[in-house]
Amino acid sequence: GEDVEQSLFLSVREGDSSVINCTYTDSSSTYLYWYKQEPGAGLQLLTYIFSNMDMKQDQRLTVLLNKKDKHLSLRIADTQTGDSAIYFCAEKSGATNKLIFGTGTLLAVQP
Amino acid sequence: DAGITQSPRHKVTETGTPVTLRCHQTENHRYMYWYRQDPGHGLRLIHYSYGVKDTDKGEVSDGYSVSRSKTEDFLLTLESATSSQTSVYFCAISDTALLNYGYTFGSGTRLTVV
Repeated sequence: GEDVEQSLFLSVREGDSSVINCTYTDSSSTYLYWYKQEPGAGLQLLTYIFSNMDMKQDQRLTVLLNKKDKHLSLRIADTQTGDSAIYFCAEKSGATNKLIFGTGTLLAVQP
Repeated sequence: DAGITQSPRHKVTETGTPVTLRCHQTENHRYMYWYRQDPGHGLRLIHYSYGVKDTDKGEVSDGYSVSRSKTEDFLLTLESATSSQTSVYFCAISDTALLNYGYTFGSGTRLTVV
């Protein structure tokens, strides 16, 4: 079945780059997404990438997509304490047309 | 959150009682979804709706029912609450099956079943 995997935790120092990784199984996914969840809040869409792209950059965020390996990553440059949150990777299922979410990666930024 | 409101924000209820959570949107979006979020499981789809009176089950639908009598409201009912249904519940909306902008989420309802 469809599955999206992420590591559970990442700790970085303020000012460093963060790289959050995700693997997925549905090769027919057309869109892949990164969401951010701050404490006590809902999920906010950070960025998305269409499956025919291999990179997308938006200010401090860089998304890399390796379709062959079904690997997605989110790089946050110059990580700030305000970036501390849970980051969810999601794919659009080719079979059900709904989003399948990963378990989320908790990013802790140390001052 | 972009015209999507969940109520209540917090609720404590006793085992065996029915509970209804409400999702209200002002975006006139066709698709609405209910998810639960639990540590180690991420977000799991409970039920979804693709129009008024049109609903379908997600991956964890047992013990839950939904209703959508008008475009703006999607209700989630726990027929007889159990401790395993203690969770944070999120509603989400989308206006198209293309999903090129993903879903928009509400702020969540934290439900505790004691």
